[in-house]
Amino acid sequence: AQRVTQPEKLLSVFKGAPVELKCNYSYSGSPELFWYVQYSRQRLQLLLRHISRESIKGFTADLNKGETSFHLKKPFAQEEDSAMYYCALRGNQGGKLIFGQGTELSVKP
Amino acid sequence: GAGVSQSPSNKVTEKGKDVELRCDPISGHTALYWYRQSLGQGLEFLIYFQGNSAPDKSGLPSDRFSAERTGGSVSTLTIQRTQQEDSAVYLCASSLEWTRTEAFFGQGTRLTVV
Repeated sequence: AQRVTQPEKLLSVFKGAPVELKCNYSYSGSPELFWYVQYSRQRLQLLLRHISRESIKGFTADLNKGETSFHLKKPFAQEEDSAMYYCALRGNQGGKLIFGQGTELSVKP
Repeated sequence: GAGVSQSPSNKVTEKGKDVELRCDPISGHTALYWYRQSLGQGLEFLIYFQGNSAPDKSGLPSDRFSAERTGGSVSTLTIQRTQQEDSAVYLCASSLEWTRTEAFFGQGTRLTVV
């Protein structure tokens, strides 16, 4: 079964500290993996995806097939990074996105 | 419009009434998705359309829920005989294709069943 697990409901860090939001997945194949972000009172939007191998707003995520993980990292958190972050998976046949439960990131001044 | 549009933004209905939620995807997007976002529950997949057909309805929680899409564009999610547990934010998203393309989300419809 396809499943995405985000073990932390809430992650609180101070400004300037490194941050890592964990995401583990279960899928027998090669999935597409995404991180979506939802800022306060805004719609859900794509942050980054593994096939692009890009860095957006200082965030990076590496797909580790051995550990079936796609953790989101940023070396120096900013207050404007405070938001809800969702990891998502799409199977290699396409179709629906399966989301994790989400992690709320709070960056304190 | 430039983005995915959902209407209404908010809907309050009495228990037992039927409701219809509308989604206007981005023009030209062939794939359309419905999700439900409940407090503390993350995003729950409901149904997915490729064109006008729904290859995956596995997330619809009961036969009170149905959805259709016409003309490869607008989609309507209908909930019959609403229950209080149906209260949630219903999100719609669309993507250009059903694989390897980004899904763009609407602002959601907040449904409250009283």
